[in-house]
Amino acid sequence: DSGVTQTPKHLITATGQRVTLRCSPRSGDLSVYWYQQSLDQGLQFLIQYYNGEERAKGNILERFSAQQFPDLHSELNLSSLELGDSALYFCASSVATSGAGTGELFFGEGSRLTVL
Amino acid sequence: GQNIDQPTEMTATEGAIVQINCTYQTSGFNGLFWYQQHAGEAPTFLSYNVLDGLEEKGRFSSFLSRSKGYSYLLLKELQMKDSASYLCAVNTGFQKLVFGTGTRLLVSP
Repeated sequence: DSGVTQTPKHLITATGQRVTLRCSPRSGDLSVYWYQQSLDQGLQFLIQYYNGEERAKGNILERFSAQQFPDLHSELNLSSLELGDSALYFCASSVATSGAGTGELFFGEGSRLTVL
Repeated sequence: GQNIDQPTEMTATEGAIVQINCTYQTSGFNGLFWYQQHAGEAPTFLSYNVLDGLEEKGRFSSFLSRSKGYSYLLLKELQMKDSASYLCAVNTGFQKLVFGTGTRLLVSP
């Protein structure tokens, strides 16, 4: 158990719909990351937050948005869903904030989204 | 851009040794990670290298050459449970990890 909690574990929805994925980081971790993993694809970095502020952005679509709340949990909102959005969405957290340190990420179990 | 290359798939026999290579070209470098991921599960941390050389941790070792943009993960005394994907990831700064597509390792009896 990494200490990172993601809900829901599984989600099935239809094209055009909107969903929200939730993540609670490990106790004490200030940084939260979101990754997308499609079938047979690597982990694609979407976005990173540190202590409530956006720190880095990856290949995140405009239909997707995220935020980190004062209690440090984070939500990833996916809207106007398409079939190609079906994937595993992982949240990860880390304690390190700067370029120094190991920067080890601790991953949640993921939210499997299926768009029909 | 960021480019991290790993072989797609490898096979090996139980008890053997296997080396999984990773080459990278990234805009920044603050260390290289190896993660293990079983199908449908979360990635779990295996090793971290920030300086050149070999880091050994039990049956797993990882090597880094920053001048060559090259790393490898060495798995010894392979067990069936080592069948998984192995992900190479580079910390490009501020703990932003960019992952390769992973190497699927199949260990056979």
